[in-house]
Amino acid sequence: EPEVTQTPSHQVTQMGQEVILRCVPISNHLYFYWYRQILGQKVEFLVSFYNNEISEKSEIFDDQFSVERPDGSNFTLKIRSTKLEDSAMYFCASSESGYEQYFGPGTRLTVT
Amino acid sequence: GQNIDQPTEMTATEGAIVQINCTYQTSGFNGLFWYQQHAGEAPTFLSYNVLDGLEEKGRFSSFLSRSKGYSYLLLKELQMKDSASYLCAVRATDSWGKLQFGAGTQVVVTP
Repeated sequence: EPEVTQTPSHQVTQMGQEVILRCVPISNHLYFYWYRQILGQKVEFLVSFYNNEISEKSEIFDDQFSVERPDGSNFTLKIRSTKLEDSAMYFCASSESGYEQYFGPGTRLTVT
Repeated sequence: GQNIDQPTEMTATEGAIVQINCTYQTSGFNGLFWYQQHAGEAPTFLSYNVLDGLEEKGRFSSFLSRSKGYSYLLLKELQMKDSASYLCAVRATDSWGKLQFGAGTQVVVTP
C-alpha cells in the first residue's frame, strides 16, 4: 500500500541554523500539507500546497518557513533560522482529493 | 475561528464499546474527520463525515449531526491495540483541506 515517507526521522540542530525537512507524498496525490505537533499538544496546521503554490497557511507559518516541490516527487519544508520553540514533530500529509489526508511518520526536530 | 472539544481520557474494558464525543463550533463546515494516534507515531486516518448520519467501517463507526455541531466515534469489540489517542478534526468550507484538530481523547483499554 502506498505511503507518505519523511526524512530524516530525527533532526537535531542549533538555534539559528537552517533545516530542511523532506517528504515524499503518495504518487497520485495532488494536495500536500505540513502539520506540527509540539510534545503533549494538539496537531497544528502549518501550510497546504496545491498546483505548485501555497493555497493556505496558518499564522505559525511566518517568513522563517518556506515550502517547495523541487521535483515531481519531493515536498520540502525549510525553516531558515530555527528557534527553541520550533522543537516539535513535523508531519507531512498528502491527499488525492483534499479530504482524506494520509500522514507520514514525522520528523522529530530538536532545537538546542 | 474554530473550537473543537473532546474528552481528555476514557477507560474501557477489552471487548467493550466506547463512544468518543466531539463538539465543534466553526465559521464554516466541510467535513469532520477522525484519526487514531499511537504515542510517538503519526495520525492514522479512520473515517470522515460530510453529511449527517452514521458511517460504518468495520469495528469503527462515526456519526455526525451538523445542526448540533456534534460527532462521535464508536469503537466496538475493543482490543488492547486500540489504546491510543483519538483525534477529532474539522475541515472548513473555505479551506483547501486544512484540518483543525481537537486535543484528542486518550482511550485506555484494560484487560
